[in-house]
Amino acid sequence: NAGVTQTPKFQVLKTGQSMTLQCAQDMNHNSMYWYRQDPGMGLRLIYYSASEGTTDKGEVPNGYNVSRLNKREFSLRLESAAPSQTSVYFCASSEENRGGWTQYFGPGTRLLVL
Amino acid sequence: GENVEQHPSTLSVQEGDSAVIKCTYSDSASNYFPWYKQELGKRPQLIIDIRSNVGEKKDQRIAVTLNKTAKHFSLHITETQPEDSAVYFCAASPGANNLFFGTGTRLTVIP
Repeated sequence: NAGVTQTPKFQVLKTGQSMTLQCAQDMNHNSMYWYRQDPGMGLRLIYYSASEGTTDKGEVPNGYNVSRLNKREFSLRLESAAPSQTSVYFCASSEENRGGWTQYFGPGTRLLVL
Repeated sequence: GENVEQHPSTLSVQEGDSAVIKCTYSDSASNYFPWYKQELGKRPQLIIDIRSNVGEKKDQRIAVTLNKTAKHFSLHITETQPEDSAVYFCAASPGANNLFFGTGTRLTVIP
């Protein structure tokens, strides 16, 4: 099993450009998440999808859109990138585990917006 | 929403000493508390978790304690080794399978 995979690994954008970050998991998990990680701020939830066909906003959704394409894939789109969106983006999926939800993270995408 | 605070932000210990990282949370509905370790340039990985019906859990050199009354939980690493050097994140879940993360603690183990 590959677990959670993300593409691309690195990306440089100019302000105003758009791009889509791709995420896929092969663990048959229902729930998937997108986080951003900035220095000193931990992991902040952008959007999540509790199941195929549903998506919900997290803590910092402004400037992003998501699509849960099927059970395996959950993409994050930046329609008009801004320098404030320079960050490391992590996708995760989760399974219920004895009353808790263990989240498994992808390797991350480093995004630089100039 | 849930608010998780984590201290200290940086921690340096001598190899073989113990390290303690503390977190507090605000939502009394939170019932699941995982800890993640993130090595430089890598993804966060779960190292231990605890549920609200348990006060303490141990796994070899790491342990987590939970005080629901005071709304705080802690990670304890004993006999630290250089490979324990990483950033550690606590998190709390008030349900609906969402996690709220602390801001992280950078642990450095000095050989």
